Amino acid sequence: GNSVTQMEGPVTLSEEAFLTINCTYTATGYPSLFWYVQYPGEGLQLLLKATKADDKGSNKGFEATYRKETTSFHLEKGSVQVSDSAVYFCALSGSNDYKLSFGAGTTVTVRA
Amino acid sequence: GAGVSQTPSNKVTEKGKYVELRCDPISGHTALYWYRQSLGQGPEFLIYFQGTGAADDSGLPNDRFFAVRPEGSVSTLKIQRTERGDSAVYLCASTQGSGANVLTFGAGSRLTVL
Repeated sequence: GNSVTQMEGPVTLSEEAFLTINCTYTATGYPSLFWYVQYPGEGLQLLLKATKADDKGSNKGFEATYRKETTSFHLEKGSVQVSDSAVYFCALSGSNDYKLSFGAGTTVTVRA
Repeated sequence: GAGVSQTPSNKVTEKGKYVELRCDPISGHTALYWYRQSLGQGPEFLIYFQGTGAADDSGLPNDRFFAVRPEGSVSTLKIQRTERGDSAVYLCASTQGSGANVLTFGAGSRLTVL
């Protein structure tokens, strides 16, 4: 079945540091890939997505590239802010699928 | 509504009791999902509605769990004879269409079974 494995946390960074959260997946066919973010006290929100190989999703300074050869969708941000402190979830939906499979989440804390 | 609304936001109950959790999706969204998020884990799929019907309930853990969406809008997740292991945040999400398009999630209902 479909599954997602993401880097364990927690991750603690200083402001303006570089952030990478690794995500790899297992799926048949050509899944769509997502990063969702959960800020403290809020619901899950879509951060970015990519629907085919080599696509790059980007939003709020975050980027992730769909790498089929390595079955990866790593999240990166060049300079984090305190407001980026949140839990980040990698997710996928399989080809012709209607539901998301999530990773376990990575807690990121950015210190001023 | 402007977003997905879930009530109650917090529910504390005793083992063996019956619980209902409500989800009010975005107006016009035909697809509705329930997920369960245990502490330190990602959301796990429970059930998916397309309109009024449960198109996929394969994620429901056992027959103590049941969900309805009688008019194709509001949904209720019902848990009978609650157990301590049912403690989790129950998330509802909705979207238009039938594919795994971008889901809009509610803030969740945190259930604690003592």
